[in-house]
Amino acid sequence: EVQLVESGGDFVQPGGSLRLSCVASGFTFTSYGMIWVRQAPGRGLEWVSYIGSSSNGINYADSVKGRFTVSRDNAKNSLYLQMNGLRDEDTAVFYCARGSLLTAGGSHYHGFDVWGQGTTVTVSS
Amino acid sequence: AIQMAQSPSSLSASVGDRVTITCRASQGIGNDLGWYQQKPGKAPKLLIYGAATLHSGVPSRFSGSGSDTDFTLTINSLQPEDFATYYCLQDYSYPWTFGQGTKVEIK
Repeated sequence: EVQLVESGGDFVQPGGSLRLSCVASGFTFTSYGMIWVRQAPGRGLEWVSYIGSSSNGINYADSVKGRFTVSRDNAKNSLYLQMNGLRDEDTAVFYCARGSLLTAGGSHYHGFDVWGQGTTVTVSS
Repeated sequence: AIQMAQSPSSLSASVGDRVTITCRASQGIGNDLGWYQQKPGKAPKLLIYGAATLHSGVPSRFSGSGSDTDFTLTINSLQPEDFATYYCLQDYSYPWTFGQGTKVEIK
């Protein structure tokens, strides 16, 4: 079964750090870029970060740049998000998702077609 | 950053209705747009990629259209399982951005 399982969410005080993990199974992890997306309580989806299949092409949302670091260990089929300097506004459910390159009309497009169940990060004093 | 203006923010519809949701990009994004469905407490699901291509396994009552700055998701003959929140996502340029979401509720 193709699956992503996140872990590492917790309750943390402002200024603290957390490391989220996302373990992949059922597909060739090394062939896919990956993203992190978050959703604050009662709010919409926010793209957080992207990392290419070989840890290339790393990018971040402006809201987390300089505080969050995405990485992956292809030998362990694992994706990570190191979050430092956490703020109240980082409280959210964090999802990892697989980025497939899908073909349409002779062109290739990203499609985020496999998602984890989410892990909850709560930042509060 | 490219802004994605999604409308409406919510709508009420009946089973069997045709529903249209739009996303407007603040600048041209070609066809680098996907549509996602999210139900409460669940992860999003990919419906459409490349603005108009139906993802494998998604019912044919869903369709996408548009290019450059204006995009539409249409649900023909709304079914009970379609009541959810829908988001567009542009991955044309960083930072990638979602629309604000459209909640489709039962009338």
